[in-house]
Amino acid sequence: QQQVKQSPQSLIVQKGGISIINCAYENTAFDYFPWYQQFPGKGPALLIAIRPDVSEKKEGRFTISFNKSAKQFSLHIMDSQPGDSATYFCAASTSYNTDKLIFGTGTRLQVFP
Amino acid sequence: NAGVTQTPKFRILKIGQSMTLQCAQDMNHNYMYWYRQDPGMGLKLIYYSVGAGITDKGEVPNGYNVSRSTTEYFPLRLELAAPSQTSVYFCASSYPQTANYGYTFGSGTRLTVV
Repeated sequence: QQQVKQSPQSLIVQKGGISIINCAYENTAFDYFPWYQQFPGKGPALLIAIRPDVSEKKEGRFTISFNKSAKQFSLHIMDSQPGDSATYFCAASTSYNTDKLIFGTGTRLQVFP
Repeated sequence: NAGVTQTPKFRILKIGQSMTLQCAQDMNHNYMYWYRQDPGMGLKLIYYSVGAGITDKGEVPNGYNVSRSTTEYFPLRLELAAPSQTSVYFCASSYPQTANYGYTFGSGTRLTVV
């Protein structure tokens, strides 16, 4: 019940296209859903996050869509660029559980010119 | 602000050897974490700490130990290295009381056990 399932494992998108990564969870107590971006040789960095009181959050070309009833959330990258090529992790946590993040297995995104 | 600093960046250990992975943060974050990252497996929590003197096990604690004597430092100890501990280790810190908190990760330690 603590798992966060992420798909796809890898994604190839052409420059200018839309990249979509999906995550699903079981624990209804999760109330914080961040996405992390990791470049090779670096640690993950917070990209964007959402709480369940909203269904969508947009920051520039990055949008999180959240479906509370389906227990799913997704990351959309509009106008994907080669510089977006990285591994993306979704995660979830509960505010009361010392904020331990449970991570998905990651999606390796490659954007080709 | 250096953020989260991990040392060493790379290390090769022989089976049965011991080592300490160092982690330091200068953001006065009270929460600190150790994760390991294996290909296709995401990040698994090894140990975490909510403040100096307080530590607790995560999802995969076997074979590891931690201590937290100060807010700044959170070392991870491997006592008897095994090939299964070959991985990339990340230390992270957070200050969850802020409105839009996130983890700050270090750049990782790549450990190979042979």
